[in-house]
Amino acid sequence: EIVLTQSPATLSLSPGERATLSCRASQSVNTYLVWYQQKPGQAPRLLIYDASNRATGIPARFSGSGSGTDFTLTISSLEPEDFAVYYCQQRSNWPITFGGGTKVEIK
Amino acid sequence: QVQLVEFGGGVVHPGGSLRLSCAASGFTFSSYGMHWVRQAPGKGLEWVAFIWFDGSNKYYADSVKGRFSISRDNHNNTLNLQMNSLRAEDTAVYFCAQPDSNNWRQLNYWGQGTLVTVSS
Repeated sequence: EIVLTQSPATLSLSPGERATLSCRASQSVNTYLVWYQQKPGQAPRLLIYDASNRATGIPARFSGSGSGTDFTLTISSLEPEDFAVYYCQQRSNWPITFGGGTKVEIK
Repeated sequence: QVQLVEFGGGVVHPGGSLRLSCAASGFTFSSYGMHWVRQAPGKGLEWVAFIWFDGSNKYYADSVKGRFSISRDNHNNTLNLQMNSLRAEDTAVYFCAQPDSNNWRQLNYWGQGTLVTVSS
């Protein structure tokens, strides 16, 4: 199975700052990489699909990049509602696998 | 709009059984494969199982293979997860999720989840 490693585990930033989250795959997943956002007590929400495409309704401050094994989720300027946990997920092969998550917390 | 509501969670003893269901609405349920994903308390997401739109094929995570069984009722727009031989490590919130119509391994919509606690 494909292992996804997210870093850092926790990112402490202030509103208005730029957030850069990393996801590395144990083997190439092409661009079949998805990002989700999860807030406490809520279900995950689709943010980015196919590495760089924003899902419907997702603000332009969220962007994704990468291909192969290295991927990045960038939040250009953090809004208060962006403090949450972010997960990457590969859709290249069965079984679906998720990264361990990056928590973006208020500094 | 897509709505997914899970139910059936609760407390069960190790070795016991539980059946989860997910009521779907707002889309043509019989046209979509469906997933179960779980999240242990304070932990990350773990994919559990997937069933094709017509129920003809099913995939499972190794951690639940042989113990869990996914099924669906397209007449009643319901997804099910039969969980047998439950272990403490199966304690989690269980989400049902609808994938993208073209990319079955991309989870577009999620329910709010139902909590399963395996404890003596």
